[in-house]
Amino acid sequence: QQQVKQSPQSLIVQKGGISIINCAYENTAFDYFPWYQQFPGKGPALLIAIRPDVSEKKEGRFTISFNKSAKQFSLHIMDSQPGDSATYFCAARIVGTALIFGKGTTLSVSS
Amino acid sequence: NAGVMQNPRHLVRRRGQEARLRCSPMKGHSHVYWYRQLPEEGLKFMVYLQKENIIDESGMPKERFSAEFPKEGPSILRIQQVVRGDSAAYFCASSPGTMNTEAFFGQGTRLTVV
Repeated sequence: QQQVKQSPQSLIVQKGGISIINCAYENTAFDYFPWYQQFPGKGPALLIAIRPDVSEKKEGRFTISFNKSAKQFSLHIMDSQPGDSATYFCAARIVGTALIFGKGTTLSVSS
Repeated sequence: NAGVMQNPRHLVRRRGQEARLRCSPMKGHSHVYWYRQLPEEGLKFMVYLQKENIIDESGMPKERFSAEFPKEGPSILRIQQVVRGDSAAYFCASSPGTMNTEAFFGQGTRLTVV
């Protein structure tokens, strides 16, 4: 119940395309859902986050869509650029506890 | 405001030695989390600490691993008698408190056991 399942494991998108990464969870006590971006040799960086009382949040080219009834949330990267090539992690958290991460998606944006 | 500082960035230890990893949280942050990342894998939670308290150590191996976050100074993750399987990247994150949810990561310590 504490797991967060992320898919796909890897993704190749052409420059200018839309990248979509999906995550699913079981525990309805999760109340915070962030996405992190990690470049090789670096630490994960917080990208965007959402709470379950909101169905969508947009920051620049990055959008989180949240479906509470389906217990799923996704990251959409619009107009994907080569500089977006990185590993993306979804996560979830119950208040007062640590973040639980998905296994990550390696995104490659081809120019 | 400096970010989360981890040192050393790279650490090489021989089997059987001790590894000591340090994490200084962001200014004003009193919550620290340690994660382990193996190649091609996600971030595995190890331990969650507040100043002078261990809140959750459910992800930490029962033997050889310990963590502390003293009143003064950085948080320390200690691995005794290291084995080759301990080779990984260890990341520390910090947050201001329980209700403030944003957690920020350091650049990690890459431990290699030879």
